[in-house]
Amino acid sequence: KAGVTQTPRYLIKTRGQQVTLSCSPISGHRSVSWYQQTPGQGLQFLFEYFSETQRNKGNFPGRFSGRQFSNSRSEMNVSTLELGDSALYLCASSLAGVTYTEAFFGQGTRLTVV
Amino acid sequence: AQKITQTQPGMFVQEKEAVTLDCTYDTSDPSYGLFWYKQPSSGEMIFLIYQGSYDQQNATEGRYSLNFQKARKSANLVISASQLGDSAMYFCAMREDTDKGEYNQGGKLIFGQGTELSVKP
Repeated sequence: KAGVTQTPRYLIKTRGQQVTLSCSPISGHRSVSWYQQTPGQGLQFLFEYFSETQRNKGNFPGRFSGRQFSNSRSEMNVSTLELGDSALYLCASSLAGVTYTEAFFGQGTRLTVV
Repeated sequence: AQKITQTQPGMFVQEKEAVTLDCTYDTSDPSYGLFWYKQPSSGEMIFLIYQGSYDQQNATEGRYSLNFQKARKSANLVISASQLGDSAMYFCAMREDTDKGEYNQGGKLIFGQGTELSVKP
């Protein structure tokens, strides 16, 4: 069974540009969440998608957005990049159901803004 | 607000010995879940173990066990027989349920700051 796949693994962008990251969850998983990891702030929740709907959102500016497709694949977009957006972006997939016992992460996309 | 605290920024352990990584949490929600993840230098977050707040038994997965003390709000990870490959960052996380609708699956993970474990040969 394939794991969570994030593409690309590495990105270098210039301040002011925009970027799109992709996450393919484990087959059968309908929930996809995104997290930002930086040395200073640690791991912070960005948003969660389920059945193509954003169900939950963290405390990030509107420059951060996402979407989920009918096959549960998700993308996140960051517009007008700032130097502080440099981070490891991780996505997690989980089954949707009564219990929420596992959340599996991808390898992450390491974004560097110069 | 829910919070996870890991008080050990770094830990050393001798190969083949057991090690305990501390995690305390704070929540007023009676229903919650606790996770431990391992993050090697490659960056991937590897799921290790899960404990539900209503679980009567401590969770175990191979060499990993979770010492769940609900009254003390602690969920320490115990790694038995440490191996060199166990050297990594370890994160404790708590699931915060934000959607208690029919499927009760809306939620997010709140992470601690992590503990860097180094296994010495």
